[in-house]
Amino acid sequence: AQSVTQLDSHVSVSEGTPVLLRCNYSSSYSPSLFWYVQHPNKGLQLLLKYTSAATLVKGINGFEAEFKKSETSFHLTKPSAHMSDAAEYFCVVPSNFGNEKLTFGTGTRLTIIP
Amino acid sequence: NAGVTQTPKFQVLKTGQSMTLQCAQDMNHEYMSWYRQDPGMGLRLIHYSVGAGITDQGEVPNGYNVSRSTTEDFPLRLLSAAPSQTSVYFCASSNRLTGELFFGEGSRLTVL
Repeated sequence: AQSVTQLDSHVSVSEGTPVLLRCNYSSSYSPSLFWYVQHPNKGLQLLLKYTSAATLVKGINGFEAEFKKSETSFHLTKPSAHMSDAAEYFCVVPSNFGNEKLTFGTGTRLTIIP
Repeated sequence: NAGVTQTPKFQVLKTGQSMTLQCAQDMNHEYMSWYRQDPGMGLRLIHYSVGAGITDQGEVPNGYNVSRSTTEDFPLRLLSAAPSQTSVYFCASSNRLTGELFFGEGSRLTVL
């Protein structure tokens, strides 16, 4: 079965410094992988998606993620944090081949320090 | 530009009461799903549907029923609410090709 592990439940960074949110996955085949973002009291929004076309994936709001098969990782990064990046971030993997069942990580809450 | 619409946004129930959370999407998506979000547990899939007339169970289906009579609507029913069902519920839809989920804004349910 496919699964994801988000290694940090809470990350705090200062505004203007780099962001790193870590995600490891477990899969018996090369999966699709997603990062979703949830701002306070809102629904979730797709940040970026990996589908094997390229290992470095660029998303919205300056975020990107690199798929590393040898490390089974899909870490999310941003060079310079902005106050508006404060949110909860979820790493997600499909549970089967059809993408209709997704398994969410437990989430990482990102706090930005002014 | 509605996307996925959930109602109600807030609801308080007493143990044993029943209710239906409504979900509608206007993007003609085949897939629709219901998730619950609890602190420290991420989102967990309750039920999902791959098209009108077809539904299946997710990770935590007990205590919930669904039906999909049209492409647009996917209501979630709690037949006899329990305090363990206190949660925030999200409806989502997606198309077969991209797999990108579009979420509603959530329904916060409290069961006393």
